[in-house]
Amino acid sequence: DAGVIQSPRHEVTEMGQEVTLRCKPISGHDYLFWYRQTMMRGLELLIYFNNNVPIDDSGMPEDRFSAKMPNASFSTLKIQPSEPRDSAVYFCATRARGRDSPLHFGNGTRLTVT
Amino acid sequence: RKEVEQDPGPFNVPEGATVAFNCTYSNSASQSFFWYRQDCRKEPKLLMSVYSSGNEDGRFTAQLNRASQYISLLIRDSKLSDSATYLCVVSYNAGNMLTFGGGTRLMVKP
Repeated sequence: DAGVIQSPRHEVTEMGQEVTLRCKPISGHDYLFWYRQTMMRGLELLIYFNNNVPIDDSGMPEDRFSAKMPNASFSTLKIQPSEPRDSAVYFCATRARGRDSPLHFGNGTRLTVT
Repeated sequence: RKEVEQDPGPFNVPEGATVAFNCTYSNSASQSFFWYRQDCRKEPKLLMSVYSSGNEDGRFTAQLNRASQYISLLIRDSKLSDSATYLCVVSYNAGNMLTFGGGTRLMVKP
């Protein structure tokens, strides 16, 4: 299995621009999570999906952030408009059904907003 | 109080040393526990799950103490390649709510 695949690996953009991060989960994994990691705040859960349905988006910072999962093999996290404080590493992680199933992370997208 | 707390370190140890980390959690309904390893500028990777009776994987031993609400990770015979940040993860709600600790940084020196 190729694992969780994220793109792009790096994104540098100017404040105000739209940013779209992409994730392809491991086949058969029912759950997909979007995390953000910064030095100051560590790993923060933004949103998670179960069977393509958003279950908990309470971690999404504000209306500028949105996430979709149109099918079982693809998810996007969009920031519009982007701000310098959005600079972070964004991870997508997936897991199989079952309480003890661990998370598997993608390589992450390192976002820099100037 | 944070839901999952770890000593951020760094723990600086010589090669061959034994080192232990603890992680405390506040939610008594927590059901599953994991240790992840994260190298600099990389994604977290599963090191091991933590079972109620304790479990061992080579040089690594994980323990769970539900009464005191903490998990531990013991690394024996430290290698230079063990240098990384170790994250504990606690989950509840059938595994859907996963909370990460802030991580403990380990540096193994020659």
